[in-house]
Amino acid sequence: EDQVTQSPEALRLQEGESSSLNCSYTVSGLRGLFWYRQDPGKGPEFLFTLYSAGEEKEKERLKATLTKKESFLHITAPKPEDSATYLCAVSARQLTFGSGTQLTVLP
Amino acid sequence: DAGITQSPRYKITETGRQVTLMCHQTWSHSYMFWYRQDLGHGLRLIYYSAAADITDKGEVPDGYVVSRSKTENFPLTLESATRSQTSVYFCASSESQINQPQHFGDGTRLSIL
Repeated sequence: EDQVTQSPEALRLQEGESSSLNCSYTVSGLRGLFWYRQDPGKGPEFLFTLYSAGEEKEKERLKATLTKKESFLHITAPKPEDSATYLCAVSARQLTFGSGTQLTVLP
Repeated sequence: DAGITQSPRYKITETGRQVTLMCHQTWSHSYMFWYRQDLGHGLRLIYYSAAADITDKGEVPDGYVVSRSKTENFPLTLESATRSQTSVYFCASSESQINQPQHFGDGTRLSIL
């Protein structure tokens, strides 16, 4: 059974305080790993796709990396508008989502 | 604007009633999906569709029915609603089943009393 675990469940940062979110996974035949951002009352918004170990993607203050067992979402010098729940999902036979990390960035 | 539209955004109903959640996409994506999101469980797949008239079960299909007569529409029906089906429901679409990102609507918050 495919499993995805995200940690921490919640993270509070001061504005400008860089950190990383973790997504560890156990799947048979990874086809891709996706990161999403979800704001309250909204649907998940697609951020990145990673297909193979060693791959990295960047967008503004966010950088996603992938190894054979986990992915990290690095947030550099975050701003309050980066506050959201970040979801990762792994694609094998189907898409399996983690429970998310709720990020709060304080001004 | 292109995207996915879900309706209604909020719905309150009673146990035993039938309720249908609507989903419409303008991207002409082949694949469409229905998920439910509950605290502690993340997003769980209910049903998906690869094309018009082709549907298949996901992880938690019991109590739900889907149809897809047109590529752009993918309604989800709860034939006899139960309190355990109180949840937030998201519709998504994608160019493929697993290799491409899925794009989500803003959800329907369903409460069953």
